[in-house]
Amino acid sequence: DIVMTQAPLSLSVTPGQPASISCKSSQSLLHSDGKTYLYWYLQKPGQPPQLLIYEVSNRFSGVPDRFSGSGSGTDFTLKISRVEAEDVGVYYCMQSIQLPPLTFGGGTKVEIK
Amino acid sequence: EVQLVESGGGLVQPGRSLRLSCTASGFTFGDHGMSWFRQAPGKGLEWVGFVRSKAYGGTAEYAASVKGRFTILRDEFKSIAYLQMNNLKSEDTALYYCCRGLLGGLEIWGQGTMVTVSS
Repeated sequence: DIVMTQAPLSLSVTPGQPASISCKSSQSLLHSDGKTYLYWYLQKPGQPPQLLIYEVSNRFSGVPDRFSGSGSGTDFTLKISRVEAEDVGVYYCMQSIQLPPLTFGGGTKVEIK
Repeated sequence: EVQLVESGGGLVQPGRSLRLSCTASGFTFGDHGMSWFRQAPGKGLEWVGFVRSKAYGGTAEYAASVKGRFTILRDEFKSIAYLQMNNLKSEDTALYYCCRGLLGGLEIWGQGTMVTVSS
């Protein structure tokens, strides 16, 4: 199984300040088709997860441009350029290059100072 | 409106069975694979399994933790995906979500249904 490791476990951010979350996979997520199967989800309190970023760096429809994803191979980063109150929740990275199983990182809780 | 609604959760004793339903609306159910995830109280997300669309054989894959106990089925006429859970264990206690799709770009999720396994 591919192990996904996120850091940090939690972040407390002042509104308007940037935030960054790291995600490392135990194996490369680069497929022979040229795509990298790394995704970012946000789970707001009391809600199901919502897709933010697909294939490393593509924002899903409706996701604000303050969210950006980057990385390659086994190292990935989600950045929020200016954190807003509505961004609180738990962020998960997920891989789908090798399944079963599809695996998630342990999550990074983002809260507002 | 594209929507998934889970139902069927509840309190069940260890060793017993439960069937969850995921009712889809607002899209052509048959065109999509369907996945199930779960989240134990205060914990992270765990993939349970998925069932492919009929065009891709309608076959299913499962997490090792549920393989042999859980079965994912689909009813094309009713637009429902089922999660049949047998021989339930306390560690199956979780909020169960269904989701449209199989792989990473999982854009449609239900609100979840809670399953509690306890004597």
